[in-house]
Amino acid sequence: SQQGEEDPQALSIQEGENATMNCSYKTSINNLQWYRQNSGRGLVHLILIRSNEREKHSGRLRVTLDTSKKSSSLLITASRAADTASYFCATAPGGAQKLVFGQGTRLTINP
Amino acid sequence: GAGVSQTPSNKVTEKGKYVELRCDPISGHTALYWYRQSLGQGPEFLIYFQGTGAADDSGLPNDRFFAVRPEGSVSTLKIQRTERGDSAVYLCASSPYPGNEQFFGPGTRLTVL
Repeated sequence: SQQGEEDPQALSIQEGENATMNCSYKTSINNLQWYRQNSGRGLVHLILIRSNEREKHSGRLRVTLDTSKKSSSLLITASRAADTASYFCATAPGGAQKLVFGQGTRLTINP
Repeated sequence: GAGVSQTPSNKVTEKGKYVELRCDPISGHTALYWYRQSLGQGPEFLIYFQGTGAADDSGLPNDRFFAVRPEGSVSTLKIQRTERGDSAVYLCASSPYPGNEQFFGPGTRLTVL
């Protein structure tokens, strides 16, 4: 079963604009991770935020975590065509080592 | 350094056949994971190894699926009596230690005709 749910399922914006994706989850977590996937193959790890952190930055990426609402957001600033991909949030519920992924947000950056 | 590698990249088989999918994790990574991803869905967990032992196999859908990691490095996912519903991309990931970020391989696309 899917733990996380991403919103929106699909997002299309112009190059240079900011893209925001949201993720909600159901159980307590130790950390939440965001991954990017191009063309339905291997996933690339973007950022990990721990349950005691509220915000984290990495380059053009900004991730927030609200454990009281069981939600997270991923912001990509100044989007580029190369950011076109599917983005997934993943959690490790209840201290388990496995990751549980949402269905992803398909992001399209239009030049 | 080298990332996670998976072979073959594509596998086409007939219903009822046996297949083996191989994963070479990043050297030194003790944790190894298998996931399965169907079209339009996120990856779904199958099994997790810590060293040589399967620490969590709760995601294996049935007893046709089995995985091994005999020397704590390379892992093989084995599927017996394949069914059309087994068609998916099978992803392997490794991690230097449990609970850390996972590094994914490119996946094996399995098609069962």
